[in-house]
Amino acid sequence: DTGVSQNPRHKITKRGQNVTFRCDPISEHNRLYWYRQTLGQGPEFLTYFQNEAQLEKSRLLSDRFSAERPKGSFSTLEIQRTEQGDSAMYLCASSLLGGNYEQYFGPGTRLTVT
Amino acid sequence: GESVGLHLPTLSVQEGDNSIINCAYSNSASDYFIWYKQESGKGPQFIIDIRSNMDKRQGQRVTVLLNKTVKHLSLQIAATQPGDSAVYFCAENPFRSGGGADGLTFGKGTHLIIQP
Repeated sequence: DTGVSQNPRHKITKRGQNVTFRCDPISEHNRLYWYRQTLGQGPEFLTYFQNEAQLEKSRLLSDRFSAERPKGSFSTLEIQRTEQGDSAMYLCASSLLGGNYEQYFGPGTRLTVT
Repeated sequence: GESVGLHLPTLSVQEGDNSIINCAYSNSASDYFIWYKQESGKGPQFIIDIRSNMDKRQGQRVTVLLNKTVKHLSLQIAATQPGDSAVYFCAENPFRSGGGADGLTFGKGTHLIIQP
């Protein structure tokens, strides 16, 4: 257990529905990252925050995806109008700016869109 | 395309033997490299990292080698144990913003199987 928690661990939804995932990072970590991982592939970077500021978004983060970290602590990732291609593991990681750059990953949220 | 990749999707070794997992990267601006281990149903777990100003770094039973000339990274695991069975990913960070780790770029992974 790295200290990063994610909820829910599993989510099954129908195509077209909206879903929201939550990540609680290690408490003193000021950077928080979201990744997506499909079966047999490595994680793909989506976006990251430094405190409450969203500093970078990858081209994978379509308009249907939005992430927030309103108080610089926990973060949410929302997917609107889900598509079957959104089925994946969504991973959250956190790190300490000025630390050793190591990113600590949570267990992930497995999304299945039917 | 991907800037980080792995040469071999599956590697099978006998328990107690040493294993070497290889990785090629293409982004010469990358300054920081990491190896992660991922067990089924879990998030990636940090194993060891190395900065571009080094060519070798050792941990407990693991060694990472970096060859910047040919953009190659390897992970050596000594005296493999059943608990080493997992998928191993290399990842790079190009320090786009500076001052800390940005979004990592991962390769596809190598599935290490430890035979009893």
